[in-house]
Formats: sequence, C-alpha cells, structure tokens
Amino acid sequence: DAGVIQSPRHEVTEMGQEVTLRCKPISGHNSLFWYRQTMMRGLELLIYFNNNVPIDDSGMPEDRFSAKMPNASFSTLKIQPSEPRDSAVYFCASSFSPRWETQYFGPGTRLLVL
Amino acid sequence: EDQVTQSPEALRLQEGESSSLNCSYTVSGLRGLFWYRQDPGKGPEFLFTLYSAGEEKEKERLKATLTKKESFLHITAPKPEDSATYLCAVQIGCLIRNKLVFGAGTILRVKS
Repeated sequence: DAGVIQSPRHEVTEMGQEVTLRCKPISGHNSLFWYRQTMMRGLELLIYFNNNVPIDDSGMPEDRFSAKMPNASFSTLKIQPSEPRDSAVYFCASSFSPRWETQYFGPGTRLLVL
Repeated sequence: EDQVTQSPEALRLQEGESSSLNCSYTVSGLRGLFWYRQDPGKGPEFLFTLYSAGEEKEKERLKATLTKKESFLHITAPKPEDSATYLCAVQIGCLIRNKLVFGAGTILRVKS
C-alpha cells in the first residue's frame, strides 16, 4: 500500500499567487482530512470530507481557502491569493468513515509564501 | 473554549531514564483522547486512543493513562529511537460532526 500521497512536497511561491495542494487518499478509505501545522498554532484541522462530501469546514481560516474532493481518490486544497502567513506544513489524512484511530497521515506539503 | 495543553514543551532524557508526558484538557463532551507520535518531516502516527477515566493502553515502552482532566504518556526505559514529538488530541462533537483538537506537542530527545 502506497499510503496517503501528497504533492508537491515543497512549494515556494510569492504573495498573491494561487497555490494548489493535492492529495490521494489510501484506496478504500472514505474520509479525508486536511490539516495545517505551524509552530505557533500546532496542528489544526481545516476541513474533512466523508464520502466526498464536506462535513466540517469550520477550520478553514478564510475565504481564500477552498477544498474539493471530486472523487474518492483525489482532493485539492487551494489558496488564492496566498499570503506569507499561510506558510506552514499542510497534511492530508484519510481513514475509514471517519474513524480517527485509523487515520493515516501523508508526508505533508511544506509551503513557503514569500 | 476547548483547549488541550501539553507539558513539558521539551524533554531530554538519558537512555533508560523513565519519565511521563502530560496532556491536560478542558473540553465539553470529550469522546476520546488520542496520542500520536510525529517524526521530523513526517505526518503524525497514531499510538493510542483512550475513552474513559481509568483506562490504560500499552505499546512496547509506552503506556497511556486517562483521568477526568488529563492524560499521561509514560515512557519506561526509553531508547534513542523513541525521540520524536508526541501529540495529544481530544475528540469532541457528536455523531459524524466530530473532530480532533490537538495540543502543541512535547518534543522528546533521548540520548544514548
């Protein structure tokens, strides 16, 4: 099993640019989670999907952030326009329905907005 | 406001020197408490779930315990490979609309 796959692993962009992060969950998992991790705020849940439907997006910081899950094997997190304070490591995780104890994290995307 | 506080922020141990990490929480409607291990450059890895006060779980040199207000992760005779950041999280909410709230973590370094 390849585990949760995230791309890119590193992203450096300039303020104002659009950033798209991608995630492929583990095959057979039907819940997907997007997290952000910073030194200041720790690990925060941004949004999660169950059966491709967004269930809770209360952690999405503002309208500049959007997430989609068009099918069971792919999700995107988009930031438009990006700002320096968005710099963080973004993790995607997947699980069965949504069982937190079976949640598997991807390796993360390290985002730096200049 | 739901809050999870971990202490200490960082801990240095000699190999074989047992110690404990603390996770205290103030949440409404706790549904479970989770411990994760995170290695540098990687995502968190699930360790334990505890659901009720008095419950204990063990895995190799780690033992997690839960009271009504806090949880402890006891590390017995640690080895250098136990070095990592240990995250605590509480599950809140109901039915499908529940989520995890994480603490800031404890960075553990074990020296040989």
